[in-house]
Amino acid sequence: QKEVEQDPGPLSVPEGAIVSLNCTYSNSAFQYFMWYRQYSRKGPELLMYTYSSGNKEDGRFTAQVDKSSKYISLFIRDSQPSDSATYLCAMSRGGSNYKLTFGKGTLLTVNP
Amino acid sequence: DGGITQSPKYLFRKEGQNVTLSCEQNLNHDAMYWYRQDPGQGLRLIYYSQIVNDFQKGDIAEGYSVSREKKESFPLTVTSAQKNPTAFYLCASSKAPTVNTEAFFGQGTRLTVV
Repeated sequence: QKEVEQDPGPLSVPEGAIVSLNCTYSNSAFQYFMWYRQYSRKGPELLMYTYSSGNKEDGRFTAQVDKSSKYISLFIRDSQPSDSATYLCAMSRGGSNYKLTFGKGTLLTVNP
Repeated sequence: DGGITQSPKYLFRKEGQNVTLSCEQNLNHDAMYWYRQDPGQGLRLIYYSQIVNDFQKGDIAEGYSVSREKKESFPLTVTSAQKNPTAFYLCASSKAPTVNTEAFFGQGTRLTVV
């Protein structure tokens, strides 16, 4: 079983839809959880950063972490064509072991 | 503007050649990382460095080498021992790793073997 699993998609939605992106993980030691957005041929851009369980909201984006289920989600409200990108989840144990482990990414297309 | 600069954006290598990818950051970050990205495989860690003059192998270090002589610079050399070097290479940095782990990325270097 891989440490981090992420459905690669592709996921295609109409403009204005609510998008749900998810990752599952197997290592219960992970404490820090991140979502990155990557446009084609560009470097990943940090979208959301969360420590431990709970929700975090930033504009149209909401990140959720459920450590008991080892499951994290990113919700995008009122999706826009400019949201079309690959979304990568990443996580780490923190402390002296800070190496990030990434999911393979989900390709999202928002159609106008 | 603070950020991470990778150069060149595109690089072509002949069989048997070593090439060096540049990564410079002006964020005053302590830790720096090199990742390789291949289609369908996500990001894989090649090397990382927590402090100047110290670095550790990641998951796929074979055929690569690095140095960390300055805090702001972390160049990656792809040696002829790397059998399949064609990929997208990403450099990242973060603050003191024991404090937080959010990493920021450069725009990448696409290496192609010709």
